[in-house]
Amino acid sequence: EVQLVESGGGLVQPGGSLRLSCAASGFTFSSYAMSWVRQAPGKGLEWVSGIPASGDTTYYADSVKGRFTISRDNSENTLYLQMNSLRAEDTAVYYCAKDILTGGYWGQGTLVTVSS
Amino acid sequence: QTVVTQEPSFSVSPGGTVTLTCGLSSGSVSTTYYPSWFQQTPGQAPRTLIYSTNTRSSGVPDRFSGSILGNKAALTITAAQADDESDYYCALYMGSGIWVFGGGTKLTVL
Repeated sequence: EVQLVESGGGLVQPGGSLRLSCAASGFTFSSYAMSWVRQAPGKGLEWVSGIPASGDTTYYADSVKGRFTISRDNSENTLYLQMNSLRAEDTAVYYCAKDILTGGYWGQGTLVTVSS
Repeated sequence: QTVVTQEPSFSVSPGGTVTLTCGLSSGSVSTTYYPSWFQQTPGQAPRTLIYSTNTRSSGVPDRFSGSILGNKAALTITAAQADDESDYYCALYMGSGIWVFGGGTKLTVL
């Protein structure tokens, strides 16, 4: 059974940093692209960042480019999102998703709140 | 800036058929955008229904189908049930690893 478990969310002050993790199991993690998708309170889904199976390149939405960094450790079956220079508008539930292109599974999400 | 458009809301009667659409602010949606559809109920994570235009994800009933209708991607739900009442999102692949989600459609079954 595919499982994606996000962690690392919490309350952070504006300008602060946070690192999210997504632990994957039930599939060959190293064979699939992964994405982070977020959902602000009461709002729709927003694709944030993606990384191919190899991890040799990364992709970002304009809203986070230069502030967020996606990475993966295929030996640990874990996806990461390093979030720096956080803003109030980054407040959201952050989901990791397995390969949207081929019918991705989603984790349950982790809440990030940016507030002073 | 590319905007993916969806109807904000839609309603369907139990047992009825509804078609939700996913368009582009500029241009037409084709299979090369690999349209995907997701269902989300309040407080829950999204669930993938359809990917690559018309492929159902594992466990998704065949009441859900995807297609291209005119210049938009479409999600058709037949024999609508009460528990189909959810938010539905589409996403389009823009190339270079980038996905864009639509704003979502709130479907009411009544």
